[in-house]
Amino acid sequence: NAGVTQTPKFRVLKTGQSMTLLCAQDMNHEYMYWYRQDPGMGLRLIHYSVGEGTTAKGEVPDGYNVSRLKKQNFLLGLESAAPSQTSVYFCASSFSAAGYNEQFFGPGTRLTVL
Amino acid sequence: GQQVMQIPQYQHVQEGEDFTTYCNSSTTLSNIQWYKQRPGGHPVFLIQLVKSGEVKKQKRLTFQFGEAKKNSSLHITATQTTDVGTYFCAENSNSGYALNFGKGTSLLVTP
Repeated sequence: NAGVTQTPKFRVLKTGQSMTLLCAQDMNHEYMYWYRQDPGMGLRLIHYSVGEGTTAKGEVPDGYNVSRLKKQNFLLGLESAAPSQTSVYFCASSFSAAGYNEQFFGPGTRLTVL
Repeated sequence: GQQVMQIPQYQHVQEGEDFTTYCNSSTTLSNIQWYKQRPGGHPVFLIQLVKSGEVKKQKRLTFQFGEAKKNSSLHITATQTTDVGTYFCAENSNSGYALNFGKGTSLLVTP
């Protein structure tokens, strides 16, 4: 099993460009999450999904959109990238509610917005 | 937002010394999870504590959950260079579906 995979691993964007980050998991998990990690800030939740076809806002959702069309995939979109979105993005999944079950994290996507 | 505070932010020890990181909350926690992130890596789950006063051990790592369920600690005995990384505590968010992570304690171990 690959666990949680993320593509791409690295990306450089110019301000105003758009992109989609893909997260895939092969553990049949219901719950999936997108976090961003900035130096000294820990992990902050952007959006999450409690099942196929559902999404919800996390702590820092502005500037991002998500979709969960298939259970195994969770996409994070940036419609118009800004330098403030330079960060490392982690996807995670869990069997059920993360508050009671461990989260499995992907390897991360390092995004730079110029 | 983040409901748990972690101290210290950084810790530098000599190999063989002990290390402790603390996670504190102003409110009662339903449970607490701990994760480790190696430099350049991703967070990896270590343990979950649920019961008041709970103590769990994993080899040289000892995890405690306070009696009032408002604080937790991770203690590493006789650190090794493989312990280098950032240790995060995480608590159940208000929604119950996600986690709020602390800002982490970065541990550096020099041989």
